[in-house]
Amino acid sequence: TQLLEQSPQFLSIQEGENLTVYCNSSSVFSSLQWYRQEPGEGPVLLVTVVTGGEVKKLKRLTFQFGDARKDSSLHITAAQPGDTGLYLCAGEPPPGSSNTGKLIFGQGTTLQVKP
Amino acid sequence: DAMVIQNPRYQVTQFGKPVTLSCSQTLNHNVMYWYQQKSSQAPKLLFHYYDKDFNNEADTPDNFQSRRPNTSFCFLDIRSPGLGDAAMYLCATSKGTVGRSTDTQYFGPGTRLTVL
Repeated sequence: TQLLEQSPQFLSIQEGENLTVYCNSSSVFSSLQWYRQEPGEGPVLLVTVVTGGEVKKLKRLTFQFGDARKDSSLHITAAQPGDTGLYLCAGEPPPGSSNTGKLIFGQGTTLQVKP
Repeated sequence: DAMVIQNPRYQVTQFGKPVTLSCSQTLNHNVMYWYQQKSSQAPKLLFHYYDKDFNNEADTPDNFQSRRPNTSFCFLDIRSPGLGDAAMYLCATSKGTVGRSTDTQYFGPGTRLTVL
């Protein structure tokens, strides 16, 4: 069974601080997607990482895919209250796996950034 | 703008009273998914359609059914809602590219279901 362990589950920080969210697995994924979800809304795709070792930046957000494509991280620099939300990582199983056609979600990280 | 639309955004039903949630998409995607999400948790896949092929998750209760009358629309029917079915229900779509196990999924805004 493919699992994605996401940590931490909850994070409450002050505006201006940096933070990192981790997604780890013992399984290889073809790609990994990061979503952000605000209360009462659906998840919104932030980025998809595909290549092992890939780093993508989206303003103050930096996403990295592990060399072995088993883990990923999201780093936020100088967090702002507008970054508050639920962050979800989701892995795309490789072709031929028992979970083909589905995303494997991490448990989510609830981030609160206080002004 | 191309998008995934869910109606209604908020639905209140009574214990045991059937309810239908709807999803439509203008992305012309082959795959449509229904997820259940409880507070601050990851979405849980209920089932998905690859075109007209229905794929049910093994642990999805029989109480949950789905219909996809055409490419654009997909419905979630809850035959006898229980208190435990109160949740956010998310619809998502993906292209269903041939040769890929899955694609980026695009989510609708969700329907918040309350069961009284």
